[in-house]
Amino acid sequence: GNSVTQMEGPVTLSEEAFLTINCTYTATGYPSLFWYVQYPGEGLQLLLKATKADDKGSNKGFEATYRKETTSFHLEKGSVQVSDSAVYFCALIMEAAGNKLTFGGGTRVLVKP
Amino acid sequence: DSGVTQTPKHLITATGQRVTLRCSPRSGDLSVYWYQQSLDQGLQFLIQYYNGEERAKGNILERFSAQQFPDLHSELNLSSLELGDSALYFCASSVGLAGAGTQYFGPGTRLTVL
Repeated sequence: GNSVTQMEGPVTLSEEAFLTINCTYTATGYPSLFWYVQYPGEGLQLLLKATKADDKGSNKGFEATYRKETTSFHLEKGSVQVSDSAVYFCALIMEAAGNKLTFGGGTRVLVKP
Repeated sequence: DSGVTQTPKHLITATGQRVTLRCSPRSGDLSVYWYQQSLDQGLQFLIQYYNGEERAKGNILERFSAQQFPDLHSELNLSSLELGDSALYFCASSVGLAGAGTQYFGPGTRLTVL
């Protein structure tokens, strides 16, 4: 079946540091890929998405590029802020498998001032 | 604010009981999804409805059921509750069925089974 693997956290950084969260996927076909963010006590919010190979999703300084050759969708941000502290989820959708999101395990990021 | 509302925010009940979680999708969204977030299983898809009809099923237990009403709100019914059902239950909605369509999540209902 389809699956998503992302690096385990927590990831602890200082403000203005560079953030990378690795995400790889397994799917039979070409999924759409997503990053969702969950701030403390809140629901999930879509951060960015990419629907085909080599697409780059970007939002709020975060970027991720859909790499078909490495089946990856790593999330990056050049300079994190304390307000970026949250749990980040990588996810995929395969239309052939219905419209359900398949999530990775989540990565907790803690940014210290 | 995603526009998706869920009630109640918190629910505490006992084993063996039955509860109903309610979700109102964003205005104009026809699809509703239910997800369960637990410490041991992570975030898992339960079930999807589109315009009142069940469209996809995930790892939903037989003790759980859902429906979507003509006004498009949805309810998730959990019965014969067990300790392991304690989790955060999210509802999400999207405009249609297309796979790349963004799903908007509600704030969740935290269920605690004692």
